[in-house]
Amino acid sequence: DQQVKQNSPSLSVQEGRISILNCDYTNSMFDYFLWYKKYPAEGPTFLISISSIKDKNEDGRFTVFLNKSAKHLSLHIVPSQPGDSAVYFCAASAGGAGSYQLTFGKGTKLSVIP
Amino acid sequence: DAGVTQSPTHLIKTRGQQVTLRCSPKSGHDTVSWYQQALGQGPQFIFQYYEEEERQRGNFPDRFSGHQFPNYSSELNVNALLLGDSALYLCASSLIIGGETQYFGPGTRLLVL
Repeated sequence: DQQVKQNSPSLSVQEGRISILNCDYTNSMFDYFLWYKKYPAEGPTFLISISSIKDKNEDGRFTVFLNKSAKHLSLHIVPSQPGDSAVYFCAASAGGAGSYQLTFGKGTKLSVIP
Repeated sequence: DAGVTQSPTHLIKTRGQQVTLRCSPKSGHDTVSWYQQALGQGPQFIFQYYEEEERQRGNFPDRFSGHQFPNYSSELNVNALLLGDSALYLCASSLIIGGETQYFGPGTRLLVL
């Protein structure tokens, strides 16, 4: 039973436009959410996180939105750049992200077309 | 500041053999978690070590075991390898208190023939 779902395996976006990656979760105990980016032959790299007490968190070109009632979060990348092309994983934790296991989605492969 | 390092980078084993993977956490981190990433899947949590003790465990059989040393480095051992154990094994380090995230190493690619 998948507790974190990323229903779009892939997404293509034109350079300069907005990329929106979506994630749904089912476990009500999750209270901390993270996005990681992964290039081939590398480990996942932390991008941005959000606590369940917030509904938005921004860091430069990256913004994460959380809708607790819908159990849905999204990552917005504006503007998208070719270097953003990678696999993006949504992850969730029931407790502090440093001290509790992370549950990951299957990932969305983002391709930014120049 | 050295990040998370893992060794070896690649490994080929045959069914029934045993394997040991190694991880050195990011400087200052005290907690190490291990994840298995099969092809086309997201990472799956195996277990987490803190103060040389296993404090959390995912849904993996006892063939998977680990160890944490006083310098916080860690090993993952897998006995009686199966073909299905072929995957990328990721180590992540963090701070048990106040850590905002887990930082991942590059992984060890294990192929079981």
